[in-house]
Amino acid sequence: ETGVTQSPTHLIKTRGQQVTLRCSSQSGHNTVSWYQQALGQGPQFIFQYYREEENGRGNFPPRFSGLQFPNYSSELNVNALELDDSALYLCASSLWLGSALGSPLHFGNGTRLTVT
Amino acid sequence: GQNIDQPTEMTATEGAIVQINCTYQTSGFNGLFWYQQHAGEAPTFLSYNVLDGLEEKGRFSSFLSRSKGYSYLLLKELQMKDSASYLCAVSSPTTTSSALEPERGNQAGTALIFGKGTTLSVSS
Repeated sequence: ETGVTQSPTHLIKTRGQQVTLRCSSQSGHNTVSWYQQALGQGPQFIFQYYREEENGRGNFPPRFSGLQFPNYSSELNVNALELDDSALYLCASSLWLGSALGSPLHFGNGTRLTVT
Repeated sequence: GQNIDQPTEMTATEGAIVQINCTYQTSGFNGLFWYQQHAGEAPTFLSYNVLDGLEEKGRFSSFLSRSKGYSYLLLKELQMKDSASYLCAVSSPTTTSSALEPERGNQAGTALIFGKGTTLSVSS
């Protein structure tokens, strides 16, 4: 069973730039979620994708956007980077049964983004 | 609003028992999760409670009282490797905006609302 993999592991960007982070879901999972974790904090929900559509969004501005592909892999795009975007970005996959979770969320190791 | 509270730090010695408490106030509830996160690593799933009561899994147990908005994680026979951050998370339903796509309806998903985590240090 292949787990959740994310790339890259580390990234340094300049304020105002754009970034794309990538995630491959665990096999058998059909839902992917993205979380932002600042140092010393718990993960914060960004959004969730199911059937290639966003089906839930946290309190993040529109410059945070995403995609889910037919093979259930996903991208997180952040435009106009700000210093406060520096954080660990976690991707999590799960099995969504349409009305309930069929599995707990399984997290990848994350991408550490530093904005200077 | 959404609020999940857990202690910031706890310390214990090898072989001891420790209980990490979590209280929550959320707009929806689909269950409560506990995750373990070692520094620089991904959160890993420990337990899930959706009904009141105790769930036991080896050295780890988790308890839920929905009426009190309260959960705890109990770790027995502590080992040095248990030094980590422990995250309490409530599963809460999300919805899409169906205004522009009425044919999709409210395709509700679920989000985990996390506490800030409890850093547990186990010493010998």
